[in-house]
Amino acid sequence: GDSVTQTEGPVTVSESESLIINCTYSATSIAYPNLFWYVRYPGEGLQLLLKVITAGQKGSSRGFEATYNKETTSFHLQKASVQESDSAVYYCALGRGSALGRLHFGAGTQLIVIP
Amino acid sequence: EAAVTQSPRNKVTVTGGNVTLSCRQTNSHNYMYWYRQDTGHGLRLIHYSYGAGNLQIGDVPDGYKATRTTQEDFFLLLELASPSQTSLYFCASSGDWGGEQYFGPGTRLTVL
Repeated sequence: GDSVTQTEGPVTVSESESLIINCTYSATSIAYPNLFWYVRYPGEGLQLLLKVITAGQKGSSRGFEATYNKETTSFHLQKASVQESDSAVYYCALGRGSALGRLHFGAGTQLIVIP
Repeated sequence: EAAVTQSPRNKVTVTGGNVTLSCRQTNSHNYMYWYRQDTGHGLRLIHYSYGAGNLQIGDVPDGYKATRTTQEDFFLLLELASPSQTSLYFCASSGDWGGEQYFGPGTRLTVL
């Protein structure tokens, strides 16, 4: 079945530095998946950060970007300059074909931003 | 804005105990989901539903029952809890199949 692998945390970055969290997914079907990044702030539920459903497209939100690369089956999350408020756990996820709503999540990457 | 609430937020029970986790959404969404999250694993889908009275099996359903009594309310039942079910449980809802899922804050369950 589908699987998602992402950077193992915790990832520690100083404020104003750049960030990349890697995400790769399995290519078990010819159907291209929808790809998501969700974020979970302390004490809260997950919330959608960005979503891309078309290969080659880039999604962006709150200064974060991710590009859907079907050749490398990757969807890495990047930010040019992190802030302390970005400290959270980030989850890469995919849904595919008739199982579009049955999301498969990566293990999550905890980001710690040092002021 | 979408609102999904869960209760209780924390629960401790003993092996063999009976536990019900509750989830309510006020978004008029058709789809609701129950996930569990364990260290080193992503969220894993237990059960989901696309409307009142409907139940679909997810990826890790063993040991769990669920019931969708209304469009708003979705319950997860552990009838003979085991320590392996110690986990963080999330409920979510979505308006569309494949659309954005809105999550509750989670219930931390400990089975001793």
